[in-house]
Amino acid sequence: EAGVAQSPRYKIIEKRQSVAFWCNPISGHATLYWYQQILGQGPKLLIQFQNNGVVDDSQLPKDRFSAERLKGVDSTLKIQPAKLEDSAVYLCASSFGGGRNTEAFFGQGTRLTVV
Amino acid sequence: DAKTTQPTSMDCAEGRAANLPCNHSTISGNEYVYWYRQIHSQGPQYIIHGLKNNETNEMASLIITEDRKSSTLILPHATLRDTAVYYCIVRASFSGNTPLVFGKGTRLSVIA
Repeated sequence: EAGVAQSPRYKIIEKRQSVAFWCNPISGHATLYWYQQILGQGPKLLIQFQNNGVVDDSQLPKDRFSAERLKGVDSTLKIQPAKLEDSAVYLCASSFGGGRNTEAFFGQGTRLTVV
Repeated sequence: DAKTTQPTSMDCAEGRAANLPCNHSTISGNEYVYWYRQIHSQGPQYIIHGLKNNETNEMASLIITEDRKSSTLILPHATLRDTAVYYCIVRASFSGNTPLVFGKGTRLSVIA
């Protein structure tokens, strides 16, 4: 089966610019997560969707970050304006959800460098 | 915050068993122990999970102590491709969509 697809793989932007990341989860997976991974640390949850609704966005810096999952499939994560400390790998993951205890599958991530 | 404690790094000789420990002394009765690994420049990859019984699959074995306060992931014959950061995570079992909370993990280096 196809895995979680993310694009772009790499992005370099200047501070105060905007950027968007795209994620296509595994077909049929209702739950979608966005994680931020700063160099040397474990991934940190930014936002979780169940279908097209937000389940948890408590750690999303809402003054500059936004995310949507229209139609409950693909998702985009946007940063506007970017800061130097946003340099990180942004990981998308999906799982079947729906009450089954099942693993999450991760994409390869988008490496963002803010200069 | 992560509810697990792992050593920062470990080395293992190629072909030998790699035993990665994890402490989770505050684990609740409905929480599973999950293991993921992250190879350089890739996303985390699921390895195995368990509740209280020992588990084995094609990748690894998971040994959970009787009091469930610690566990060990065993890679029976480590290869160079097993070099990665290994994350031990406790996760509630009542819903399949509970997010994973990562700590810093253990960096395993398999040496030829």
